[in-house]
Amino acid sequence: EVQLVESGGGVIRPGESLRLSCAASGFRFDGSGMSWVRQPPGKGLEWVSGINWNGNSLDYSDSVRGRFIISRDNAKNSLYLQLNNVRAEDTALYYCVRDCSAGSCSSGNGDDAFDIWGQGTMVTVSS
Amino acid sequence: DVVMTQSPLSLPVNIGQPASISCKSSQSLVYKDGNTFLSWFLQRPGQSPRRLIYKVSKRDSGVPDRFSGSGSGTDFTLKISRVEAEDVGVYYCLQGAHWRTFGQGTKVEIK
Repeated sequence: EVQLVESGGGVIRPGESLRLSCAASGFRFDGSGMSWVRQPPGKGLEWVSGINWNGNSLDYSDSVRGRFIISRDNAKNSLYLQLNNVRAEDTALYYCVRDCSAGSCSSGNGDDAFDIWGQGTMVTVSS
Repeated sequence: DVVMTQSPLSLPVNIGQPASISCKSSQSLVYKDGNTFLSWFLQRPGQSPRRLIYKVSKRDSGVPDRFSGSGSGTDFTLKISRVEAEDVGVYYCLQGAHWRTFGQGTKVEIK
């Protein structure tokens, strides 16, 4: 079965750190680009960060650049997001998504772009 | 950064009537390989988003043919030919040509 399972969310205080994980199964993870997308309660979707299939290309939204770090371990079929110096506005449900847009995957023509989503892991930043 | 502007943000429709959502980008979404990375998603309450359309007009497996996508360059449209009750939710466009950006979302509800 094709799936993405996020974990690591919880309640943390402003300024603290947290690492989110995403376990992939059922598809070729080591050839897939991946992204993190978040959704604050009652609000819209925001792309947070993305990484290509081998980790050589990555980027962040302006709202998290310099604080969050995306990484992957292809041997473990896992994607990570390190959240540092968190703020109240980082409170959101964080989704892990397969992302083959614009050459992010090792093969194919980009059809597998945001086609697989996890159920999300909730991060709450509160003092 | 690419800005994606959706309209309208709220769309009340009668069942059986057509609906249309616009998505405009601040830059062309044509990637260097010739593909245009514009996708549409539906998020129902309490669920993860589901992709409906990719590369402007390609419908995902299992998506009813009442959904169609069109457009080019910077202007794109999602159309529902005849709205059904199950189509209620929030629709998002996403550009994938310049890293990634979502539109603000359009809430579709039944009148």
